[in-house]
Amino acid sequence: EVQLLESGGGLVQPGGSLRLSCAVSGFTFSSYAMSWVRQAPGKGLEWVSAISGSGGSTYYADSVRGRFTISRDNSKNTLYLQMDTLRAEDTAVYYCAKGLRNTVTTYFDYWGQGTLVTVSS
Amino acid sequence: DIQMTQSPSSLSISVGDRVTITCRASQGISNSLAWYQQKPGKAPKLLLYAASRLESGVPSRFSGSGSGTDYTLTISSLQPEDFATYYCQQYYSTPFTFGPGTKVDI
Repeated sequence: EVQLLESGGGLVQPGGSLRLSCAVSGFTFSSYAMSWVRQAPGKGLEWVSAISGSGGSTYYADSVRGRFTISRDNSKNTLYLQMDTLRAEDTAVYYCAKGLRNTVTTYFDYWGQGTLVTVSS
Repeated sequence: DIQMTQSPSSLSISVGDRVTITCRASQGISNSLAWYQQKPGKAPKLLLYAASRLESGVPSRFSGSGSGTDYTLTISSLQPEDFATYYCQQYYSTPFTFGPGTKVDI
């Protein structure tokens, strides 16, 4: 059974940092692209970042490029999102999402339950 | 970036009715389109991909069609558990983009 479990969310002040983790099981993690998708309170879905299975290719939305860093540790079956210089508009539920095998341009067939990040003073 | 629009933004409907939701991309996306269902407080759930391919386990009352820039999600006979918000997503190119959503309620 495929499972994705996010952690690391919480309350942080503007300008602060936070690292999200997504622990996965039930599939060969290193073979699959992964993404982070967020949803601000009462709003729609926004793709944030993607990473290839090897970790060698990364992609970002313009809204987070230069502030967020996606990475993965395939030995630990874990995906990360390092979030720096956080802004109020980064407040959202952050989901990790599984893509397809061997391609980054993919839909998302499994999602985690989400972790809430609140940026406020 | 490819912009996605959806219509309608919301609709009030009854159990048993047929539902049609339209999604339009700002440029051709070669059927690289997925549909998701999201219920309050829950993660999105994949319904269809490649515009018309039904994800495993999804009821056959859900169907998709379209090509080029215009795509449609149809629910043939709405069931009580189908009241939710529906999103389309293009995965033709990064940045991946979602439509603004269509809320289906009573």
